[in-house]
Amino acid sequence: QKEVEQNSGPLSVPEGAIASLNCTYSDRGSQSFFWYRQYSGKSPELIMFIYSNGDKEDGRFTAQLNKASQYVSLLIRDSQPSDSATYLCAVNRGGSQGNLIFGKGTKLSVKP
Amino acid sequence: DTGVSQNPRHKITKRGQNVTFRCDPISEHNRLYWYRQTLGQGPEFLTYFQNEAQLEKSRLLSDRFSAERPKGSFSTLEIQRTEQGDSAMYLCASSPKEGTGGLEQYFGPGTRLTVT
Repeated sequence: QKEVEQNSGPLSVPEGAIASLNCTYSDRGSQSFFWYRQYSGKSPELIMFIYSNGDKEDGRFTAQLNKASQYVSLLIRDSQPSDSATYLCAVNRGGSQGNLIFGKGTKLSVKP
Repeated sequence: DTGVSQNPRHKITKRGQNVTFRCDPISEHNRLYWYRQTLGQGPEFLTYFQNEAQLEKSRLLSDRFSAERPKGSFSTLEIQRTEQGDSAMYLCASSPKEGTGGLEQYFGPGTRLTVT
């Protein structure tokens, strides 16, 4: 089992729709969860982080965490073409404060 | 711009040569991280500093790789005797002091290394 798994996509949604991105992780000791957006040829940009079970909203973005199911998700409401990018899920390695384990990313395409 | 900066942005080198990259973290961030990313993959952790102390090193970091952060500010990553498999984007990130924020890591623009 991979440590952090994401569907590679591409996930295609129409403009204005909700995009739902999912991530599962294997290390039950993980405490910190992050979503990064990466445009082609650029470095990852932090868009959301969540440390507690439940939902966390920031603008059009909502992160959801379920530690019992080892599942993290990102919802993007009112998707825009500018949201088209690869979304990386990252989880800290249990017992480490610095070592983030990244998934391979989900490529999102928002069609006008 | 007060973000993480990295130099050079691109480096082409011949196999067997040594290369050194520099990272300047966000001001007053005391934690600094190095990652490597290849096409189609997420970043892979290499090493992590808190101030000048190197607290973790990945098993991926062979003896040819060394990182320093001598004064707890900027950091350098050196690769000796480069191999074609070292071709990748090398990413640096920093995060705030413990107690003033979480463990959120903010990435610089990266240094793209091509070994010919």
